[in-house]
Amino acid sequence: AQTVTQSQPEMSVQEAETVTLSCTYDTSESNYYLFWYKQPPSRQMILVIRQEAYKQQNATENRFSVNFQKAAKSFSLKISDSQLGDTAMYFCASRPSGSARQLTFGSGTQLTVLP
Amino acid sequence: SQTIHQWPATLVQPVGSPLSLECTVEGTSNPNLYWYRQAAGRGLQLLFYSIGIGQISSEVPQNLSASRPQDRQFILSSKKLLLSDSGFYLCAWSASSGGATDTQYFGPGTRLTVL
Repeated sequence: AQTVTQSQPEMSVQEAETVTLSCTYDTSESNYYLFWYKQPPSRQMILVIRQEAYKQQNATENRFSVNFQKAAKSFSLKISDSQLGDTAMYFCASRPSGSARQLTFGSGTQLTVLP
Repeated sequence: SQTIHQWPATLVQPVGSPLSLECTVEGTSNPNLYWYRQAAGRGLQLLFYSIGIGQISSEVPQNLSASRPQDRQFILSSKKLLLSDSGFYLCAWSASSGGATDTQYFGPGTRLTVL
């Protein structure tokens, strides 16, 4: 079984600043994937970034990057140069490797970017 | 490119009435398909997933059922809705080949209110 914990229910950041969202997970799987999804007010779930657990290099996607600490089972998301459009609920999720495996989601962090 | 559609976008139904939510995927063949439910202010809970036509796996015992009559069509149903069925329902798809391509992509969702 997998569990994902997000300990920050709400966060705010000034526009153009940098913010880090925390996530810890627990799994008994030897290989797995980690994800960050964002859910804006429209409520559509949008993939932000993906990390394969067997890769040591942290994933990056433009202004978004992760700090993956496998031994500590930590997977934080850093958003640089925050924009108003980044305001959303952010969910951390994990999934064992293999087809059609269940995504386990954290409870989410509501991020508000302030003008 | 692949797109995923859900309808209706919003639905208000009385207790005891039937339900049918539809999800279709375009631009891919033999996808894995998933139904999730999101209660207000919460993370996502996997309800059903399917790896092929007529193949449905249920993750949580409940008042709902799922069917996959065509390769890229996934339907969520209920014979008699309960108040507790209210929520936001998200359909997702992933490639069937596994590995990194097994990332799940979500549709726009259906907001269901049972009165």
